[in-house]
Amino acid sequence: AQTVTQSQPEMSVQEAETVTLSCTYDTSESDYYLFWYKQPPSRQMILVIRQEAYKQQNATENRFSVNFQKAAKSFSLKISDSQLGDAAMYFCAYRRMNYGGSQGNLIFGKGTKLSVKP
Amino acid sequence: DAGVIQSPRHEVTEMGQEVTLRCKPISGHDYLFWYRQTMMRGLELLIYFNNNVPIDDSGMPEDRFSAKMPNASFSTLKIQPSEPRDSAVYFCASRPGLLYEQYFGPGTRLTVT
Repeated sequence: AQTVTQSQPEMSVQEAETVTLSCTYDTSESDYYLFWYKQPPSRQMILVIRQEAYKQQNATENRFSVNFQKAAKSFSLKISDSQLGDAAMYFCAYRRMNYGGSQGNLIFGKGTKLSVKP
Repeated sequence: DAGVIQSPRHEVTEMGQEVTLRCKPISGHDYLFWYRQTMMRGLELLIYFNNNVPIDDSGMPEDRFSAKMPNASFSTLKIQPSEPRDSAVYFCASRPGLLYEQYFGPGTRLTVT
């Protein structure tokens, strides 16, 4: 079974600084997706970034980028120029790249609570 | 697009009562998911549907939980009878196909006293 581990329950960053959130996963599959979701106090789950395992290039979305190390099964999220609005829970998630069958749901890590100091 | 709609946003009920949570997926999305979020267990998949058919309900905790999707625009998650340990935030999410990401609703916070 696939598992996702976020080893940092809480992180803190100064406004305008850079922070990296860690995520590791375990799978025997070769094709899959990885995601980072943000959950602010409003509870809404917001997709931050997505990475396809077959792509060697790391995904980037504005101030958010990932460091995807497939062999190490590592998928960290870097937030540059941190803003107060980035304060939230961040969840790493895994999904099989299935082309049939019954799989297709997201498997989440336990989350990392990010605080941003002004 | 209104996004995934869930109702109610908050529900407080007494132990033993029946609770029904509702979800309207994004139009055109053929996958629908129900998740539960607790501090102890994090986000867990309860059940998901494809084209209104339940595909995987292995995450449903016990027979007190049931889910239905009578049509493409509506799903319910029912708990009967409810227990205090069912207190959690319940999310509904939908997806337009196999190769796309899920879109989450705002969640329903359930408190069972």
